[in-house]
Amino acid sequence: QSALTQPPSASGSPGQSVTISCTGTSSDVGGYNYVSWYQQHPGKAPKLMIYEVSKRPSGVPDRFSGSKSGNTASLTVSGLQAEDEADYYCSSYAGSNTYYVFGTGTKVTVL
Amino acid sequence: QITLKESGPTLVKPTQTLTLTCTFSGFSLSTSGVGVGWIRQPPGKALEWLALIYWNDDKRYSPSLKSRLTITKDTSKNQVVLTMTNMDPVDTATYYCAHWWVPSRCFDYWGQGTLVTVSS
Repeated sequence: QSALTQPPSASGSPGQSVTISCTGTSSDVGGYNYVSWYQQHPGKAPKLMIYEVSKRPSGVPDRFSGSKSGNTASLTVSGLQAEDEADYYCSSYAGSNTYYVFGTGTKVTVL
Repeated sequence: QITLKESGPTLVKPTQTLTLTCTFSGFSLSTSGVGVGWIRQPPGKALEWLALIYWNDDKRYSPSLKSRLTITKDTSKNQVVLTMTNMDPVDTATYYCAHWWVPSRCFDYWGQGTLVTVSS
């Protein structure tokens, strides 16, 4: 199975917005509304930020939002803060055979 | 609250079998709708899903690693065990276990991870 495709890097100044794309296929991202996004700071475990395309777990700031169009999902971080600097990974349920797949990861830098 | 912790060897030799244990609390794998999975991350690289086990003992594996992986559970001990055969230096990675949120098909709680190095 192939990993979902993300841009290697993205950046923005404090207070600005940054959007990360996650491109898959009709067998994963496009076929199910089970796209999730994880934030990972250096040396730490990933943290769930978005699930089911656009839902936020309790405690995740509403600055984080998700969406999907066709085979591409997106994560937008609005009002960038220094603590948002991290790696971000998308993931998707991919059916009964492949089952689950992660993205290639995007490093977000707050300038 | 839900917590998970991985344990196992930090160093294995090529061709050996790796056995990792995930010990968790705050939920039971005998409860309907619960799952535990394993994910790994080579140094400086992306996350890779490995395996998943459900409360009803249904098991799922990454197609690319299926022949080398076995996932089991010990409900009485609140543990999930992952074995990976024929280890190679490319399998050097931090291995995470995580709680699988069944309705939303995502990992909502993660262990701290354990670094496994494969080297002779």
